[in-house]
Amino acid sequence: DGGITQSPKYLFRKEGQNVTLSCEQNLNHDAMYWYRQDPGQGLRLIYYSQIVNDFQKGDIAEGYSVSREKKESFPLTVTSAQKNPTAFYLCASSKGSNQPQHFGDGTRLSIL
Amino acid sequence: QKEVEQDPGPLSVPEGAIVSLNCTYSNSAFQYFMWYRQYSRKGPELLMYTYSSGNKEDGRFTAQVDKSSKYISLFIRDSQPSDSATYLCAALHSNYQLIWGAGTKLIIKP
Repeated sequence: DGGITQSPKYLFRKEGQNVTLSCEQNLNHDAMYWYRQDPGQGLRLIYYSQIVNDFQKGDIAEGYSVSREKKESFPLTVTSAQKNPTAFYLCASSKGSNQPQHFGDGTRLSIL
Repeated sequence: QKEVEQDPGPLSVPEGAIVSLNCTYSNSAFQYFMWYRQYSRKGPELLMYTYSSGNKEDGRFTAQVDKSSKYISLFIRDSQPSDSATYLCAALHSNYQLIWGAGTKLIIKP
């Protein structure tokens, strides 16, 4: 069954800690994306990758980092530099940049 | 002013009613338009994907794009309680970045 898997579903971060959110897809999509969703706001783009070993900053990349070593995987690290990390994080993929994006079920990150 | 505007609602309608959800956009460079449905604590699910002005129908759902007015709509016929969700519109810029509305919360009352 093809799709996008995000893990964990819930994550808690302590002060000064980096945490990594996992995103895996088996749709054979070239492009992958990370969004942040806050209540009452639209999705905001953190990072995106159109091809393996290449990625670009989105609108709110500060305090986040990514890697794209495999086509199937696009992990997001929320660093201690991100001062307001509490949010719902969504990973998406698409066949190409002008194709619809398909989403995982998200990771909810909270601060301890 | 946001590039894609969407009334946050909530919009509450009785079961069986026709629902109309709307977005306006400001940038003529937007080429493709999408509607997503998002249930609580879940990721958005693609409902409709359109390019040209006019209507596109899929089952109970009809997406309408009016590029001259920069207005996009989603109509849901014979609404069901299971349609209760947040509906997100999105527009794809010519630079391939997807710009999102804030979402409209829809409640279908049995």
